Amino acid sequence: DGGITQSPKYLFRKEGQNVTLSCEQNLNHDAMYWYRQDPGQGLRLIYYSQIVNDFQKGDIAEGYSVSREKKESFPLTVTSAQKNPTAFYLCASSKGEGDPSPLHFGNGTRLTVT
Amino acid sequence: GQNIDQPTEMTATEGAIVQINCTYQTSGFNGLFWYQQHAGEAPTFLSYNVLDGLEEKGRFSSFLSRSKGYSYLLLKELQMKDSASYLCAVMDSNYQLIWGAGTKLIIKP
Repeated sequence: DGGITQSPKYLFRKEGQNVTLSCEQNLNHDAMYWYRQDPGQGLRLIYYSQIVNDFQKGDIAEGYSVSREKKESFPLTVTSAQKNPTAFYLCASSKGEGDPSPLHFGNGTRLTVT
Repeated sequence: GQNIDQPTEMTATEGAIVQINCTYQTSGFNGLFWYQQHAGEAPTFLSYNVLDGLEEKGRFSSFLSRSKGYSYLLLKELQMKDSASYLCAVMDSNYQLIWGAGTKLIIKP
């Protein structure tokens, strides 16, 4: 079965450390996305990528970085510059730009930074 | 600016019907999505409306009025497993999704 895999499910880090969240998809989707979800707020877009080796900043990209070296993979690094990194992070994919097809989501990574 | 409004929380009784409303103001419109999200889990796709009218899928239906910037999700024969958050999202003219904050639906026996 095709899908999106995020790992780990829970992640704990000390303040000042960078941390990388994994996202892999085998749906052959061109587009991939990273969202952050906080209580009482809608999903906020961090970064997205429409094709390999290209990505764009979303609404809240500061303190985050991504790479898209392979179609299947879109890892997110939360850097020490992110002021409030504790959140639920969701990775998603879709067929591609200009296609109003629904997003497929991974199961999320809950990051806690202390 | 772009905005999606939906109620924060709703309560309904098992076996009843509930309607969750969503109003939007966006730069262009390429469709409206409804997702279901159980606590701590990923959102799952429920419905997509791009033309005015009602789309029915089993116990769930979704309605769209583009002229009014309005949609609703109708859940019939409520079951305890329907307790979840329901997210409304609109795709704007750039094919970017604008998300509402979600409606937490509590089902009581």
